Amino acid sequence: EDQVTQSPEALRLQEGESSSLNCSYTVSGLRGLFWYRQDPGKGPEFLFTLYSAGEEKEKERLKATLTKKESFLHITAPKPEDSATYLCSVDAGGTSYGKLTFGQGTILTVHP
Amino acid sequence: DAGVIQSPRHEVTEMGQEVTLRCKPISGHDYLFWYRQTMMRGLELLIYFNNNVPIDDSGMPEDRFSAKMPNASFSTLKIQPSEPRDSAVYFCASSFSSGYTFGSGTRLTVV
Repeated sequence: EDQVTQSPEALRLQEGESSSLNCSYTVSGLRGLFWYRQDPGKGPEFLFTLYSAGEEKEKERLKATLTKKESFLHITAPKPEDSATYLCSVDAGGTSYGKLTFGQGTILTVHP
Repeated sequence: DAGVIQSPRHEVTEMGQEVTLRCKPISGHDYLFWYRQTMMRGLELLIYFNNNVPIDDSGMPEDRFSAKMPNASFSTLKIQPSEPRDSAVYFCASSFSSGYTFGSGTRLTVV
């Protein structure tokens, strides 16, 4: 069974204090790993897709990286508007093609 | 592009009543997904369609839940009869090749 575990469950940072969120996964075969951001009362918003170990993607203060067992979402010099829940998910491909399994998320709070 | 459109945004119903949630996917997307989100269980996939055909409904909790996609631009998720434990936020998402686009969700409260 595909599993996704995110840590920590919650993270509090001061504005400008860089940190990383972790996503560990267990799948029979990885077609893609996806990061989403979710604000309260809204649907998840797509951030990145990573397909193979060693791949990196960047967007503003966020950088996502991928190894064979985990992914990291690095946040550099965060701002209060980066506060949200960050969700990691995997598409195992094969007979599960297109189906995403989500982790529980990391709640990020950035204080000014 | 208006994105994935869900209706209603909020639904409050009494136990035993029928509830129908609606979704309009993004034009051209060939996959449509229904998810349920709760604090305890996070995001759970209920069912998904490819080209209007149900592919995997193993996440549908029980026979009280049913979903249809009569055409490429419309899908419904029906709960009959509803129970308090069905209270959650229900999301519809659509995709083409990779990366989902989610709707804003329907917050269902069953009292």
